[in-house]
Amino acid sequence: GQNIDQPTEMTATEGAIVQINCTYQTSGFNGLFWYQQHAGEAPTFLSYNVLDGLEEKGRFSSFLSRSKGYSYLLLKELQMKDSASYLCAVRDLGGRGSTLGRLYFGRGTQLTVWP
Amino acid sequence: GAGVSQSPRYKVTKRGQDVALRCDPISGHVSLYWYRQALGQGPEFLTYFNYEAQQDKSGLPNDRFSAERPEGSISTLTIQRTEQRDSAMYRCASSSSAGEETQYFGPGTRLLVL
Repeated sequence: GQNIDQPTEMTATEGAIVQINCTYQTSGFNGLFWYQQHAGEAPTFLSYNVLDGLEEKGRFSSFLSRSKGYSYLLLKELQMKDSASYLCAVRDLGGRGSTLGRLYFGRGTQLTVWP
Repeated sequence: GAGVSQSPRYKVTKRGQDVALRCDPISGHVSLYWYRQALGQGPEFLTYFNYEAQQDKSGLPNDRFSAERPEGSISTLTIQRTEQRDSAMYRCASSSSAGEETQYFGPGTRLLVL
């Protein structure tokens, strides 16, 4: 199974930088994902890491350390529209010869951006 | 279609009734996933398909839950003899191929069992 831990809530102000941490314990690992979910809406894909290091995509960056079972999502130049839940998810190795495994999601970090 | 669609968007049913939730994935997407999401929680995996083959159903809570995707496109999640604890948001997602990193989620079906 999988155990994924992330903070429940975070707050920040417009223009600031925030880092959302995620730690995981897995029986198999095949990638870590970050999704953004606004209230009442579907999750939308933000980033994917399968190798150690930092992946940068505009204002958002995601880091992975497989040896530490640790990832973070870094949001720069925060805007009010960034207020949302941020979901960390781990994909396992799958079974029966399938290369695609199921996603295990954390409970999400609710980020509130204040003016 | 342009995105993943699900129907109905809202379903209110009485305890003991059967319900069928439909998912129409992005056209051409091979892989289709069903999740359940409680308020304030992340999505919880239920089952997934590659084409018409159900690859993993280990997340289905019990034998009242079943899913099919007979022609490798539209999928139906069926809950028999619904119970109040089945009330949740049921989400479907699809990806273009097995191993594709991005899953695209649909708007969900909000199920309320009275």
